[in-house]
Amino acid sequence: DIQMTQSPSSLSASVGDRVTITCRASQSISSYLNWYQQKPGKAPKLLIYAASSLQSGVPSRFSGSGSGTDFTLTISSLQPEDFATYYCQQSYSTLCSFGQGTKLEIK
Amino acid sequence: QVQLVQSGAEVKKPGASVKVSCKASGYTFTSYDINWVRQATGQGLEWMGWMNPNSGNTGYAQKFQGRVTMTRNTSISTAYMELSSLRSEDTAVYYCARGLVFRFDPWGQGTLVTVSS
Repeated sequence: DIQMTQSPSSLSASVGDRVTITCRASQSISSYLNWYQQKPGKAPKLLIYAASSLQSGVPSRFSGSGSGTDFTLTISSLQPEDFATYYCQQSYSTLCSFGQGTKLEIK
Repeated sequence: QVQLVQSGAEVKKPGASVKVSCKASGYTFTSYDINWVRQATGQGLEWMGWMNPNSGNTGYAQKFQGRVTMTRNTSISTAYMELSSLRSEDTAVYYCARGLVFRFDPWGQGTLVTVSS
């Protein structure tokens, strides 16, 4: 099975900050990497697919990059509504898997 | 709009089974996979498996092999996930999600399954 490891596990930042979250796969997954945002009590929401493609309706301050084993999610200028937990997910294998999550908190 | 609506919360005793439904609307049900993901309280997302509503083909995470069954009724655009031999560690919110090349969008609202004696 492919293991996904996110860092950091939690992060404190301020409105307007630029934030980067990292996701590493235990083997190469090409660009088969998706990012989700989850707010408390809500279902996850797809932000980025295929490592760098922005899902329709998602603000352009969100961006993704990477290929192979190392990926990043960047939020260029944090907004109050961005404080949430973020998960990466590999879709390379038909047995997909998620990272453990990164909780983004207000500083 | 594309929507997945899940059945309501369940309380089950250890050893019992639970069957959660996921009704799709706003798209052709047989054109996209349905995946199931669960989340224990305060924990991360755990992928359980997928089902192709057109063929009925399924694929399950090894952890759930032998305990989970994913089925569908195409006449009512509804997918089902049944988990058997429940234990306390199965207490979680269970989500269905429409899958396209294993990217999940949208998700259902979630169904809380509580396993308690």
